[in-house]
Amino acid sequence: DQQVKQNSPSLSVQEGRISILNCDYTNSMFDYFLWYKKYPAEGPTFLISISSIKDKNEDGRFTVFLNKSAKHLSLHIVPSQPGDSAVYFCAASRDAYNNNDMRFGAGTRLTVKP
Amino acid sequence: NAGVTQTPKFQVLKTGQSMTLQCAQDMNHNSMYWYRQDPGMGLRLIYYSASEGTTDKGEVPNGYNVSRLNKREFSLRLESAAPSQTSVYFCASSEHRANNEKLFFGSGTQLSVL
Repeated sequence: DQQVKQNSPSLSVQEGRISILNCDYTNSMFDYFLWYKKYPAEGPTFLISISSIKDKNEDGRFTVFLNKSAKHLSLHIVPSQPGDSAVYFCAASRDAYNNNDMRFGAGTRLTVKP
Repeated sequence: NAGVTQTPKFQVLKTGQSMTLQCAQDMNHNSMYWYRQDPGMGLRLIYYSASEGTTDKGEVPNGYNVSRLNKREFSLRLESAAPSQTSVYFCASSEHRANNEKLFFGSGTQLSVL
């Protein structure tokens, strides 16, 4: 059973515009959420995280929003750049101290067009 | 500064053959993990090692064995490969029990079992 779902396999945006990537989860025990970014032929790299005590976390052009009641989080990239073109994975776990029960979404492929 | 190194990058096996995927990290991390990624699915945890000398099953352990050789190295063995094990395999490491845990991934091994 997929406990973390990214329902959009792909997204295409114009350079300079906002990219919004969405993620839904079903397990109410999840308490810590992360986004990873993956370029072809490379492993995923950590991008940004948020714990359930917050509803927003910002790091430069990247902002993650968490809506616990809706079991939904989103990643906003503003402004989008061609170098942001990658696959983005949403992940969730029950606490911020270990990764053993982390679940990943299937990923969304973002293409930013110049 | 290599981070997490996996070998080989590509491998083709025949059904029933065995092989070992190697992984090493140079970040002095306590925990190491093996994931597999299949099309349309998120990364799924096969086995992990929370610390040197311990290993535990993850979400999809059947058909695999692991060895935590020392703090740096964590290998994954397929004793009798099956076509269902065709996948991309990622090794990862993390500090373990640090707040805001995140995973550091290797670049992956593309395995095909014919």
